[in-house]
Amino acid sequence: EAQVTQNPRYLITVTGKKLTVTCSQNMNHEYMSWYRQDPGLGLRQIYYSMNVEVTDKGDVPEGYKVSRKEKRNFPLILESPSPNQTSLYFCASSRYRRLTGEQYFGPGTRLTVT
Amino acid sequence: DAKTTQPNSMESNEEEPVHLPCNHSTISGTDYIHWYRQLPSQGPEYVIHGLTSNVNNRMASLAIAEDRKSSTLILHRATLRDAAVYYCILSIDSGGSNYKLTFGKGTLLTVNP
Repeated sequence: EAQVTQNPRYLITVTGKKLTVTCSQNMNHEYMSWYRQDPGLGLRQIYYSMNVEVTDKGDVPEGYKVSRKEKRNFPLILESPSPNQTSLYFCASSRYRRLTGEQYFGPGTRLTVT
Repeated sequence: DAKTTQPNSMESNEEEPVHLPCNHSTISGTDYIHWYRQLPSQGPEYVIHGLTSNVNNRMASLAIAEDRKSSTLILHRATLRDAAVYYCILSIDSGGSNYKLTFGKGTLLTVNP
């Protein structure tokens, strides 16, 4: 089954404790992206990757890092999480680099930073 | 980014058609119109997209106005599983760079049994 998976699905952590949210897709997609969703603000893009070893900032990259060492994986790293990073996070992938096709979204990771 | 305007909420009855409107008066010639939906506690799900012509797929139809300043997502027979927030999004062709979807607030569709 074609899918985007994220782990963990729920995470409660404390300020400053480094964490990684994993994202994996099994569709051989080149494009992958991370979004965060907050009430009243909609989904906002954090980082994206056009292919292996090619990543760039989205609209809200501060406090986050990403890497793309393999085509299927695109982990999101919070080196020193803060309470304002409490949010619902979605990973997405797409076969298309340009804006003519669909993006597949993962099920989400709900992160709480205390 | 070009802006879209959607009603905050709409209500429908099960097995009836639903027409979800979207205004995008500042759309440019190369902007695609996408529709995604988000069911409770799930990630967004692609529904349909188009450029100029009306489009049909197994989930829905997309009717695009001739001047492209508005579009309508049509669910032909609503089911309870169609209850979700529906997002109308314009994707801007910036020559092969970032493929970003800018989600607005969307329309919350309620389907009554």
